[in-house]
Amino acid sequence: QVQLQESGPGLLKPSQTLSLTCNVSGGSVRSGNYYWSWIRQPAGKGLEWIGHIYTNGSANCNPSLKSRVAISLGTSNNQFSLKLSSVTATDTAVYYCARLIYYDSKYNWFDPWGQGTLVTVSS
Amino acid sequence: QSVLTQPPSASETPGQRVIISCSGSNSNIGSGTVNWYQQLPGTAPKLLIYSNNQRPSGVPDRFSGSKSGTSAALAISGLQSEDETDYFCTTWDDSLNGVVFGGGTKLTVL
Repeated sequence: QVQLQESGPGLLKPSQTLSLTCNVSGGSVRSGNYYWSWIRQPAGKGLEWIGHIYTNGSANCNPSLKSRVAISLGTSNNQFSLKLSSVTATDTAVYYCARLIYYDSKYNWFDPWGQGTLVTVSS
Repeated sequence: QSVLTQPPSASETPGQRVIISCSGSNSNIGSGTVNWYQQLPGTAPKLLIYSNNQRPSGVPDRFSGSKSGTSAALAISGLQSEDETDYFCTTWDDSLNGVVFGGGTKLTVL
């Protein structure tokens, strides 16, 4: 059974770079028809897809964040990472990693999710 | 502003049936399938329905999903107090080449 767990700093200052890692247990990030994904949720608001990376290393990001986002597979087979540069208070949110099970653009869904980690941007 | 539109809230009495809607466009719901998630306060979302109407193992058959055109719906029958939480829909968007979300619906069991 695959499980995901986010880790990284919980407090950042404006203009810093957010760096999060998702540890995957019970599976490899380099095999299967999966997109390893990052999603965030500001307090009291809806979820926003940040981006994802396929098992072959091909990544895609939300255009609204694309200039600031980098997603990569880890050097080991059980990690992938998110970097979000030049953060502001509007980037304060709970950040989730999740596995997108992907058959094609019609058939895909997130399962499982990590428990989420709160990142606060404040001076 | 979420790409998929859900009512912010819904309510019904125990034992009754409630339907939560999710509206999109031809580039997302109209060209793919819809998934539904349940999110208890302070926890990660849990997959409830995938591919419009499929239930993962362990999800009660009180939960069902459907899709027609550019809209989808989650139906919960035999409402229980434990169903009182947030629900949201997702699907792939061909224009975005990524996943889009509904804004979420807070269900109250009166």
